[in-house]
Amino acid sequence: KAGVTQTPRYLIKTRGQQVTLSCSPISGHRSVSWYQQTPGQGLQFLFEYFSETQRNKGNFPGRFSGRQFSNSRSEMNVSTLELGDSALYLCASREGATEAFFGQGTRLTVV
Amino acid sequence: AQSVAQPEDQVNVAEGNPLTVKCTYSVSGNPYLFWYVQYPNRGLQFLLKYITGDNLVKGSYGFEAEFNKSQTSFHLKKPSALVSDSALYFCAVRERRAGKSTFGDGTTLTVKP
Repeated sequence: KAGVTQTPRYLIKTRGQQVTLSCSPISGHRSVSWYQQTPGQGLQFLFEYFSETQRNKGNFPGRFSGRQFSNSRSEMNVSTLELGDSALYLCASREGATEAFFGQGTRLTVV
Repeated sequence: AQSVAQPEDQVNVAEGNPLTVKCTYSVSGNPYLFWYVQYPNRGLQFLLKYITGDNLVKGSYGFEAEFNKSQTSFHLKKPSALVSDSALYFCAVRERRAGKSTFGDGTTLTVKP
């Protein structure tokens, strides 16, 4: 089975722009979660999608949004980028009461 | 609300010595507990999990963890550390009915030759 695939791996954006990150889960996994990882804040939960519905949401501003498609692929969008949004964005998929499998992440740099 | 604490930012051990990375948690009801490892510029890799059953859980690369319900702890252990074990380790908890996992802040393990 292929693992969790995140694209792109690296991204450089300018303040005020928007960005879309993509995550393809492991085949058969219906749950996809997104996390933001920064040196100062650690691993922060953004949101979780299950069967195209947002099931859980972290404490992030509305500039952060996501969606999930019928094939379980998920996208995360950040609008009006700020310097503080620079981070490693991780996607994880799972099915049922199992461990989550993480992608390699997308390194977003906002300049 | 669920939470995880990893009280040590950094753990240093000599190669060949036993290692322990500590984790305590707070959650309603019976939890699912996990340990993950992260190497530089990589995603998190699953090491082991506690779902139910035996309190001592064995995982990948010789790691094990002991679930202690009374102390709400899930410490990661390895009898003999390797230099290649040097990495960032995360403990995570998930309530059984919740989809959201909460991660600790991570502990950097450094194993010196």
